[in-house]
Amino acid sequence: KAGVTQTPRYLIKTRGQQVTLSCSPISGHRSVSWYQQTPGQGLQFLFEYFSETQRNKGNFPGRFSGRQFSNSRSEMNVSTLELGDSALYLCASSFRQGAQTGELFFGEGSRLTVL
Amino acid sequence: SQQGEEDPQALSIQEGENATMNCSYKTSINNLQWYRQNSGRGLVHLILIRSNEREKHSGRLRVTLDTSKKSSSLLITASRAADTASYFCATDATGANSKLTFGKGITLSVRP
Repeated sequence: KAGVTQTPRYLIKTRGQQVTLSCSPISGHRSVSWYQQTPGQGLQFLFEYFSETQRNKGNFPGRFSGRQFSNSRSEMNVSTLELGDSALYLCASSFRQGAQTGELFFGEGSRLTVL
Repeated sequence: SQQGEEDPQALSIQEGENATMNCSYKTSINNLQWYRQNSGRGLVHLILIRSNEREKHSGRLRVTLDTSKKSSSLLITASRAADTASYFCATDATGANSKLTFGKGITLSVRP
């Protein structure tokens, strides 16, 4: 079974630009979560999508958005990039059953550098 | 905001020794999970312990959970150089639309 695939793995952008990151979950997983990881703040929850609906959202500004497609693939977008958006963006999929969060399967991440 | 807080922040041990890492959290939980991350890569799930469980084993890993103290510990026995990584505890708080909240992690160095 293929793991979680994130593209691109590395990217460099300048302030004010926008970026779209992609995540393909493990086949059969309908839940996709996104996290931002920085040395100072650690892992911060961005949002979770389940069956094309945003199920949960973290405390990030509206510049951060996401969506999920019918095949469970997900994208996240960051508009008007700021230097502080430089981070490793991690996507995780799970076979969510019910209200509880089970094991998450993470991709290798997309490392964004904003200059 | 971080739900779980790991202790210590960094740990350096000799190969063959045991490593004990602790995690404290603030709210009621459905479960608590431990993950490992090798430098700059994705996280790998190690073990999940439910709120009604007190201890769980998986290979060289032993996890305990004390819900009255809101704390958990991860023990890695007979450590190897390959165990060098960052370890995170993550909590699934009770309530609607739960999500996993991660601590800031513990850096474990195992010297050969």
